[in-house]
Amino acid sequence: KAGVTQTPRYLIKTRGQQVTLSCSPISGHRSVSWYQQTPGQGLQFLFEYFSETQRNKGNFPGRFSGRQFSNSRSEMNVSTLELGDSALYLCASRGTGGSNTEAFFGQGTRLTVV
Amino acid sequence: GENVEQHPSTLSVQEGDSAVIKCTYSDSASNYFPWYKQELGKRPQLIIDIRSNVGEKKDQRIAVTLNKTAKHFSLHITETQPEDSAVYFCAANDQAGTALIFGKGTTLSVSS
Repeated sequence: KAGVTQTPRYLIKTRGQQVTLSCSPISGHRSVSWYQQTPGQGLQFLFEYFSETQRNKGNFPGRFSGRQFSNSRSEMNVSTLELGDSALYLCASRGTGGSNTEAFFGQGTRLTVV
Repeated sequence: GENVEQHPSTLSVQEGDSAVIKCTYSDSASNYFPWYKQELGKRPQLIIDIRSNVGEKKDQRIAVTLNKTAKHFSLHITETQPEDSAVYFCAANDQAGTALIFGKGTTLSVSS
């Protein structure tokens, strides 16, 4: 069974640009969550999608958005990039077993804003 | 919302010693508490989890304890080995049950 796949693995963008990251969950998983990981801050929750609906959103500005498609693949978009957006962006998928089940992480997309 | 505090931020032990990492959470509605291990350059991977109807869970050299009254849970690693060196994150699910709120991580170094 293939794991969670994130593309691209690395990105370098300039301040003010926008970026789109992609996440393909484990086959059959309908819940996809996104996290931002920075040194010293751990993993911070961005948002969670289930069956194409955003069910939960973390405390991030509106420049961060996402969506989920009918095949459960998800994208997140960051507009008007700032230097502080440089981070590892991780997505995680869960099956249909409920919120207290294991979240499987992808390898992440390393975004560098210059 | 839920807040998870994790201590210590760094921990150095000798091979064969035990390591203990502690976390506290704020939302009494949380009912799921996983622990993730992240090796350098790799994805976080679940090593053990515990649900609120259980006080302790053990898997070989790893154990987790949960005290719901005090709102804290701990990870215990016995007979540590160099390959245990990594960053460990605790987490708790939020009130909506759809997000994991993570602690800031503990960097464990095991020297031989």
